[in-house]
Amino acid sequence: AQSVTQLGSHVSVSEGALVLLRCNYSSSVPPYLFWYVQYPNQGLQLLLKYTSAATLVKGINGFEAEFKKSETSFHLTKPSAHMSDAAEYFCAVSDHSGGSNYKLTFGKGTLLTVNP
Amino acid sequence: DTAVSQTPKYLVTQMGNDKSIKCEQNLGHDTMYWYKQDSKKFLKIMFSYNNKELIINETVPNRFSPKSPDKAHLNLHINSLELGDSAVYFCASSQEAPETQYFGPGTRLLVL
Repeated sequence: AQSVTQLGSHVSVSEGALVLLRCNYSSSVPPYLFWYVQYPNQGLQLLLKYTSAATLVKGINGFEAEFKKSETSFHLTKPSAHMSDAAEYFCAVSDHSGGSNYKLTFGKGTLLTVNP
Repeated sequence: DTAVSQTPKYLVTQMGNDKSIKCEQNLGHDTMYWYKQDSKKFLKIMFSYNNKELIINETVPNRFSPKSPDKAHLNLHINSLELGDSAVYFCASSQEAPETQYFGPGTRLLVL
């Protein structure tokens, strides 16, 4: 079974500072990895995904993540935080459940707050 | 056009009642999902349907019954609602692997 650990349930940064949200996974097969963002009272939106191509993945809103197999990590970064980045961020790993179906297993989320 | 829509957005009801949540996607995807997000924001899959066929059923009480009349719709019916059912329920859809799942806006269920 797959699992995801997000280190730090709450990360606070100043506007303009580096954002680093940590995600470690466990998987018995090569994983597909995702970062989703959830703004208050909204659904989840895909930020980026890793699907065994380039290990450095660029996403929307200036975010990127690097897949490191040796560290089983997929940390999310953004060079300069903006107030609009304040949200809950979820890392997820995809588990092949058979057929054409995949199941996402989510981490517990990291709340990012951005201080002016 | 909304890709994945859910109705209702909010649902407040009494313990013991039966309620339904509807989900529709206009993305032409073959697979649809129901997730439950608890008060601590933890997201867990409940069900998955592929072309109207149940694929994933994650140890959910049988008071919860999904129904897929066609591949664009996946409804969730909940019998005998309990306090612990209070949560946000998200519908999602996806096409072929590797999956990007597209989520609806959520239905906030409060059981009193």
